[in-house]
Amino acid sequence: GDSVTQMEGPVTLSEEAFLTINCTYTATGYPSLFWYVQYPGEGLQLLLKATKADDKGSNKGFEATYRKETTSFHLEKGSVQVSDSAVYFCALSEGGGGNKLTFGTGTQLKVEL
Amino acid sequence: DAGITQSPRHKVTETGTPVTLRCHQTENHRYMYWYRQDPGHGLRLIHYSYGVKDTDKGEVSDGYSVSRSKTEDFLLTLESATSSQTSVYFCAISDGGQVGYGYTFGSGTRLTVV
Repeated sequence: GDSVTQMEGPVTLSEEAFLTINCTYTATGYPSLFWYVQYPGEGLQLLLKATKADDKGSNKGFEATYRKETTSFHLEKGSVQVSDSAVYFCALSEGGGGNKLTFGTGTQLKVEL
Repeated sequence: DAGITQSPRHKVTETGTPVTLRCHQTENHRYMYWYRQDPGHGLRLIHYSYGVKDTDKGEVSDGYSVSRSKTEDFLLTLESATSSQTSVYFCAISDGGQVGYGYTFGSGTRLTVV
């Protein structure tokens, strides 16, 4: 079945550092890919998405490119801020009725001054 | 302006008792979902609904049932709560059932079974 693998956390960075959170996936078809962010005590929020190969999703300085050849969707940001501290989830959907999402285990990011 | 609300936000219950969690939306979205979040597992789908009275199972549906009698409400019931059902439960809604549509999540219900 479908699965999503994310790098283990927590990831601790200094403010203004470059961020990469790795995400790879296994799917039988041609999925859409998502990054969600969860701030403490809150639900998940959609951060960005890509629906076909070579698409780049972007939002709030975050980017991720759908790489079909490496089945990857790595999240990047050029300069992180303390306010980016959160848990980040990679997810995929193959549709097939119901648009069910399969999530990775999440990666906690801590940004320090 | 929350389009999706969950109740209660926190609940402590005893093993063997029934528990019902409620998800209410004001967006008139067709699709609604219940997920549980556990450390090391991310989010896992329990049940989902694709319309009034239309529901289907997810990957971790054992011990849970759902009902959707109105577009705006999706109820999750633990018939006889067990300690393994201690978790944070999230409801989500989507305005499309096709690939590419994102979800809007509620703020979650933290359930503790003692």
